[in-house]
Amino acid sequence: DAMVIQNPRYQVTQFGKPVTLSCSQTLNHNVMYWYQQKSSQAPKLLFHYYDKDFNNEADTPDNFQSRRPNTSFCFLDIRSPGLGDAAMYLCATSRDLSSEETQYFGPGTRLLVL
Amino acid sequence: AQKITQTQPGMFVQEKEAVTLDCTYDTSDPSYGLFWYKQPSSGEMIFLIYQGSYDQQNATEGRYSLNFQKARKSANLVISASQLGDSAMYFCAMRERMDSSYKLIFGSGTRLLVRP
Repeated sequence: DAMVIQNPRYQVTQFGKPVTLSCSQTLNHNVMYWYQQKSSQAPKLLFHYYDKDFNNEADTPDNFQSRRPNTSFCFLDIRSPGLGDAAMYLCATSRDLSSEETQYFGPGTRLLVL
Repeated sequence: AQKITQTQPGMFVQEKEAVTLDCTYDTSDPSYGLFWYKQPSSGEMIFLIYQGSYDQQNATEGRYSLNFQKARKSANLVISASQLGDSAMYFCAMRERMDSSYKLIFGSGTRLLVRP
């Protein structure tokens, strides 16, 4: 089945220690997104890639970076995690950026910062 | 200003009964998409149903239907014959043009608990 895969499902890191979360997709979609979701809140868009074009949200901290080496994979790098970065990180994909395109989400990675 | 409003933070429903989750939206763009997602405690966001702004008929997907009232700017989700597995957080979302692309804007969510 075509799907969005995120690894690992749970990630524990130390305060200030760089961490990378990964996402892969078999849908061959052009767009990949990263969202941050804190407890009992709606997901918040961090950035997205349309093919190789990177689009950063204005309020995404510089501490968050992303890489998309090919169509299938996208990575979220947190350079110096703080306690406030503990959250669920959701990867999503869509075929393109039009209004009717559905975003399909992966299972998420729960990040714990000690 | 709030773009997507879900006024019910929590809802209860008896198993096998129908339940309506409310969603209102605000946009001046004539072209937009409305989505409902389910998020169980495991965390995955599961796409349920889509309604386009130009669609004449209400969307349906199995036990899910979307009561789309364009003039009122509402897009309520109706779940028929509730099951215990329907207990989850439900998010209404709108895809609207922002800058040069369409972005997905989420409501604050409604937590549904299905009672046996």
